[in-house]
Amino acid sequence: QKEVEQDPGPLSVPEGAIVSLNCTYSNSAFQYFMWYRQYSRKGPELLMYTYSSGNKEDGRFTAQVDKSSKYISLFIRDSQPSDSATYLCAMSALAGGFKTIFGAGTRLFVKA
Amino acid sequence: NAGVMQNPRHLVRRRGQEARLRCSPMKGHSHVYWYRQLPEEGLKFMVYLQKENIIDESGMPKERFSAEFPKEGPSILRIQQVVRGDSAAYFCASSPDREQNTEAFFGQGTRLTVV
Repeated sequence: QKEVEQDPGPLSVPEGAIVSLNCTYSNSAFQYFMWYRQYSRKGPELLMYTYSSGNKEDGRFTAQVDKSSKYISLFIRDSQPSDSATYLCAMSALAGGFKTIFGAGTRLFVKA
Repeated sequence: NAGVMQNPRHLVRRRGQEARLRCSPMKGHSHVYWYRQLPEEGLKFMVYLQKENIIDESGMPKERFSAEFPKEGPSILRIQQVVRGDSAAYFCASSPDREQNTEAFFGQGTRLTVV
């Protein structure tokens, strides 16, 4: 069993839809949870960074962490074609990038 | 304020040659991490370095791979005697201070192709 499981998709939605992206994990030591966006042939770009459980909102993006269920989510409201990318969940027991474990990424397509 | 700089962006090597990948962290960042990404897979941790020190290399293959972060200059990931299975995107990330609960920022990656 992988430490982090993420559905690779692809996920295709119409413009304006609410997108829900999810990851499950098995290591209860994880405390730092991140979502990265990666455009084709580019480096990952940090979208959201959350410590422990709870919700965090930034513009159209909301990250949720449920440590009791070992489940994290990223919601994108009013999705735009420019949101089309691969979204990687990532988590770590320690701060910074040290031994951050990444999901395989979900490919998202937002159709105009 | 330049981000994490990696070069070259693309590197082609023949089997048996050496590949050198360079990473200059963001200004003020003293922690460097190297990751490898295979097609359709997530990033896999390789090594964590601070200036002149390897902190953790548990993700590095035991042979042919090495990394350094000298006092002056960029961090270098070196792959000796490359094989086709080494073809991947290699990403470098940097962060200012692990204890300050800060996130890591990634470079654009070096895409290595072994022919």
